[in-house]
Amino acid sequence: AQSVTQLDSQVPVFEEAPVELRCNYSSSVSVYLFWYVQYPNQGLQLLLKYLSGSTLVKGINGFEAEFNKSQTSLHLRKPSVHISDTAEYFCAVSDDGNTGKLIFGQGTTLQVKP
Amino acid sequence: NAGVTQTPKFRVLKTGQSMTLLCAQDMNHEYMYWYRQDPGMGLRLIHYSVGEGTTAKGEVPDGYNVSRLKKQNFLLGLESAAPSQTSVYFCASSYTQGAQYFGPGTRLLVL
Repeated sequence: AQSVTQLDSQVPVFEEAPVELRCNYSSSVSVYLFWYVQYPNQGLQLLLKYLSGSTLVKGINGFEAEFNKSQTSLHLRKPSVHISDTAEYFCAVSDDGNTGKLIFGQGTTLQVKP
Repeated sequence: NAGVTQTPKFRVLKTGQSMTLLCAQDMNHEYMYWYRQDPGMGLRLIHYSVGEGTTAKGEVPDGYNVSRLKKQNFLLGLESAAPSQTSVYFCASSYTQGAQYFGPGTRLLVL
């Protein structure tokens, strides 16, 4: 069965510093990959998605991710974070075209400090 | 476009009571999902539907039932609430295999 691992449960970083949030998935079959952000007391908002094509994916709010098939990863990056980026980030994978079901990682809390 | 809406936003139940959570989407999506979110456990799929009149079990279906009588609505029922069902519940919808769009959530406390 497919699984998703977010390697860091918490990532503290200073404002304007770069950040990388790591995500690995278990299966090497064709997958669709997603990153979501959840601000406190809100639902999940789609940051970016990798369906196929270029391995570099641009998302909203200045985030981007690089797909690496051999390492089964989609790490999320931002060159310069803001206080407003403080939130929980979830990686998710789908390999079931008939149902669209997503398997989520356990989340990474990004804490941006002034 | 309201997107995905959930009713109610917050509810307190006593053990053994029943309730229904309503999810509505106005994006004409075929697929709809119910998740629960608990601290440190990410999101876990309860039930899902790939079209009007169809439902299927997800990862943690016990104690819940669902119905999809209309394409735009997906109802989640708790017949006899238990404290272990205290959680935040999210509904989501999508076109076939693609990004899912989430509602704002329902916070449920079972005493």
